[in-house]
Amino acid sequence: ILNVEQSPQSLHVQEGDSTNFTCSFPSSNFYALHWYRWETAKSPEALFVMTLNGDEKKKGRISATLNTKEGYSYLYIKGSQPEDSATYLCAFIKGGSEKLVFGKGTKLTVNP
Amino acid sequence: EAGVVQSPRYKIIEKKQPVAFWCNPISGHNTLYWYLQNLGQGPELLIRYENEEAVDDSQLPKDRFSAERLKGVDSTLKIQPAELGDSAVYLCASSPGTSGRADTQYFGPGTRLTVL
Repeated sequence: ILNVEQSPQSLHVQEGDSTNFTCSFPSSNFYALHWYRWETAKSPEALFVMTLNGDEKKKGRISATLNTKEGYSYLYIKGSQPEDSATYLCAFIKGGSEKLVFGKGTKLTVNP
Repeated sequence: EAGVVQSPRYKIIEKKQPVAFWCNPISGHNTLYWYLQNLGQGPELLIRYENEEAVDDSQLPKDRFSAERLKGVDSTLKIQPAELGDSAVYLCASSPGTSGRADTQYFGPGTRLTVL
């Protein structure tokens, strides 16, 4: 059974704060890691697909890093805004598989 | 470009009733996925189609769930009969099939099913 763990489960920050959360996955047989943002009542939105150890990707105020050797990825949000409030999901694909295995997500609430 | 379309958005039924969900993927996307998301959990794959072929349905409870993707475009997921434990969000996603397993999957808004 593949375990993809996300922490923290939920997070409340003030507008303007920077924040980060973690996705842990099996370090052996890695293929790719996906990050999604899911706002309430909307479709999950793809943020990043990461495949290489040491990858760092950025989209506006959101960035992510990847360490496949130790099995973790960090998602950073700089200067959080209320519109960043959402659940952030990571999903892991192992080598030889076609299937995304999702974590339970980190629910971020940004208070104005 | 239109995104993945799902209908209905919400459905409330009584147990033992049948229910069907419809998905229209992004135009040109060969791969289509159905996921189940239980409260507090991440989405779990039910079935994956490459064009009209179901290439992974290992997680689909075949005693009560069925799916089809006729003509390799839109898809229907059916539950018959529904049970209380089927209350969940059913998500459809599609991907272009150009980058293999690193393809971005594009999700629809989901159907929230409540079984009473």
